Parts: sequence; C-alpha cells; structure tokens
Amino acid sequence: SQQGEEDPQALSIQEGENATMNCSYKTSINNLQWYRQNSGRGLVHLILIRSNEREKHSGRLRVTLDTSKKSSSLLITASRAADTASYFCATASMNYGGSQGNLIFGKGTKLSVKP
Amino acid sequence: NAGVTQTPKFQVLKTGQSMTLQCAQDMNHNSMYWYRQDPGMGLRLIYYSASEGTTDKGEVPNGYNVSRLNKREFSLRLESAAPSQTSVYFCASSEGPRYQETQYFGPGTRLLVL
Repeated sequence: SQQGEEDPQALSIQEGENATMNCSYKTSINNLQWYRQNSGRGLVHLILIRSNEREKHSGRLRVTLDTSKKSSSLLITASRAADTASYFCATASMNYGGSQGNLIFGKGTKLSVKP
Repeated sequence: NAGVTQTPKFQVLKTGQSMTLQCAQDMNHNSMYWYRQDPGMGLRLIYYSASEGTTDKGEVPNGYNVSRLNKREFSLRLESAAPSQTSVYFCASSEGPRYQETQYFGPGTRLLVL
C-alpha cells in the first residue's frame, strides 16, 4: 500500500554540493511531509507542504510540490557531512485506503555526503 | 522536555514469548502512533490512538495489541512473538485529533525474535 516513492534510492555527493531527492505519489493528498532519519535513530520532521502550496523553504531546505504531476522534491543546498541520513517523504490523505488521514511513508532516499 | 521516549531500546525474544513496548510523550499531544520499520522499507502503521480512550488499527495490526493507558502513554503488546515481527518499532505523537500534522518520533525499539 505504498503511496510515496522516493527517487533515487541512494545518493552520494561531496560536501558543498546540492542534493535533490524526489517523491512521487498516487492519490490526491492533503499535505506532504519530509522527514530525516539518522542511522539508528528516530525520524525527525523537516518540512510540511500543503496541497495548495507550491514551494516552501526552511534554512538550506527547499521543497516543491506539483500536484498535477503528483510529485515533490526536496533540495538540500550546500550539503554538509552532517546531512548524511535517510530522507523519507510521507503523504497525508483523507481518501487513501483504510488509513484515512494517517501518514503513508515512502521507502526513503539514503544520502551520503562525503567530506 | 524529553519528547517521546521508548523502552526498552533493544530486546531479544524467543518465538512464542510475549512482551510490551512502552511509549510516553510529554508534549501533551492527543494522538499517538506505533510503526514498524523493516530493512529497505518505509514505516508502516501498526495501530494509532487519535485521542485518549480510543485506538484503531493501521496497515499491519495482526499479532499486536495496544493500550492507551492515559494521555501520555501508549503501549504495544506482542502476545506471541513470531520471527516475522523482528523489526524496529517506533512510537510517535502529534497534536490532534487531526492526523495530518507533524509527528514526533521516539528513538525506537529494536526487536529480534528468534
């Protein structure tokens, strides 16, 4: 019952470069969220974008949402070694399956930033 | 302000044994959730509690039971553990009762069922 699918599955870049991760989903949504998970830790919320928004910024993070293409992207600018983590998109929809209103998580993108 | 805490951090069980995973939050949130995370997979919702006194099944509830003990605490019980329940379990909470808001996660419980 996967709703969000991240692409790529893994990404390796050098410190200072930008990292872009994409998320595609299948049904209409109320909002889309991005979370980060450091190895062996819990998830940490990064940003929430609502279906009527097209772009949001938070520090070095920029999230876009294209509801016509059912896709979102997360851009991390000027990446640092500390950005190394897995990044998950999660969609919230009141109309999705049997979990109305609950978040549905993708499988994640594993980002490695080399110093 | 500890956020969301989970105990234990790690547990090894034999097939058929039972155990309870504990979760507590100190943010006065109404909604709480239990997820499991398997290698290469995203999180899958096991059970959730929209508010104190209510619980509902998520995507993968079979083999689990939950109790919303009070507003702060939400426990997950495995009555007869199976190897397929080897996973990392995360508890989360959010302001509610809307489920669409930011969720705050605990550090996880790593469970190995032999």
